[in-house]
Amino acid sequence: EAQVTQNPRYLITVTGKKLTVTCSQNMNHEYMSWYRQDPGLGLRQIYYSMNVEVTDKGDVPEGYKVSRKEKRNFPLILESPSPNQTSLYFCASRDGGEEDGYTFGSGTRLTVV
Amino acid sequence: GEDVEQSLFLSVREGDSSVINCTYTDSSSTYLYWYKQEPGAGLQLLTYIFSNMDMKQDQRLTVLLNKKDKHLSLRIADTQTGDSAIYFCAESRHNQGGKLIFGQGTELSVKP
Repeated sequence: EAQVTQNPRYLITVTGKKLTVTCSQNMNHEYMSWYRQDPGLGLRQIYYSMNVEVTDKGDVPEGYKVSRKEKRNFPLILESPSPNQTSLYFCASRDGGEEDGYTFGSGTRLTVV
Repeated sequence: GEDVEQSLFLSVREGDSSVINCTYTDSSSTYLYWYKQEPGAGLQLLTYIFSNMDMKQDQRLTVLLNKKDKHLSLRIADTQTGDSAIYFCAESRHNQGGKLIFGQGTELSVKP
């Protein structure tokens, strides 16, 4: 089944403890992206990657890092999480054409205390 | 600015039509999308419209695009309780690598 898989689905952590949210897609998509969803704000792009070893900042990149060493994986790294990073995170991927839209993962709900 | 605007809530009765509205800002956007998010789930692509189209129909869904006013709408005919969800419109910025800009989402509540 074609899908984007994120792990974990839920995570509660403490301020300052490094964490990684994994994202993997099995569709051989070139384009991958991370979004965060906050009430009343919709989804905002954190980072995106056009292909292997090509990453770039989105609209809200502060406090996050990403890497794209292989086509299928696009992990999101929070080196020192803070409470304002408590949010619902989505990974998404797309083939080359915009008309296909994005395939989204099921989301990771992160709480930083 | 970059805003895509939607109203936050809509409540309808089962069997009625629902119309969810959206305004966007970038006239160069090539594709406009409607996504559906059910509770606890990710976003599911419902439909899209290319910017040179005025209307697209897909079973119970009708998308209308007014490029002059930068207004997009999604009409759901014969709305069912299973249609209760949050609906997001999004524009694709072709000159920014197809970056998606989302609205805030409209929560549709369907009452029996």
